[in-house]
Amino acid sequence: DIQMTQSPSSLSASVGDRVTITCQASQDIRNFLNWYQQKPGKAPKFLIFDASNLETGVPSRFSGSGSGTDFTLTISSLQPEDFATYYCHQYHHLPPTFGQGTRLEIK
Amino acid sequence: EVQLVDSGGDLVQPGGSLRLSCAASGFTFSDYDMNWVRQAPGKGLEWVSYINRRGDTIYYRDSVKGRFTISRDNVKNSLYLQMNSLRAEDTALYYCARGQSGSYYEVSAFDYWGLGTLVTVSS
Repeated sequence: DIQMTQSPSSLSASVGDRVTITCQASQDIRNFLNWYQQKPGKAPKFLIFDASNLETGVPSRFSGSGSGTDFTLTISSLQPEDFATYYCHQYHHLPPTFGQGTRLEIK
Repeated sequence: EVQLVDSGGDLVQPGGSLRLSCAASGFTFSDYDMNWVRQAPGKGLEWVSYINRRGDTIYYRDSVKGRFTISRDNVKNSLYLQMNSLRAEDTALYYCARGQSGSYYEVSAFDYWGLGTLVTVSS
């Protein structure tokens, strides 16, 4: 199985900060990488597909980049509703696998 | 509005069985591939199974092969997961998740998720 490693595992930041989360795949996954946001007690929300494409309705402060094995999720100016856990997800190889999550907390 | 409502979770003893259901509305169910994804308490996300829109292509993760069976009823707009020979490590919140259409691969992004149904395997 392809291992997905996110860093950091947790992050404290303030409203208005620019934040970057990284995701590294154990082998080349081209651009078959998605990002999700999950708040406590809620289902995951789909944010970005194929590394850099914003899902409809997702605010433009979210962006994604990368290809091959290294990917990033950037939030340009944190809003109060962005404090959540973020997961990357590869689907280039079966089984699809997720990163362990990055918990974004209020400083 | 797309809605996925998961149900059927319960407390079950090791070796027992459960059948999960997911009722879909707000979209043409028969046009979309579907998945089950689970999340153990306090842990991350883990894909479990996939079924295509016609129900003739199915995939499972290795740890559930031979024990779980995914199925769908496109008339009832419903997805199912029959879970047999349950183990403690199957304890999780189980989500049904819609597959994104138009993707390069069969198993793609999960664009809508249910709220989940809790399966607890314990004696």
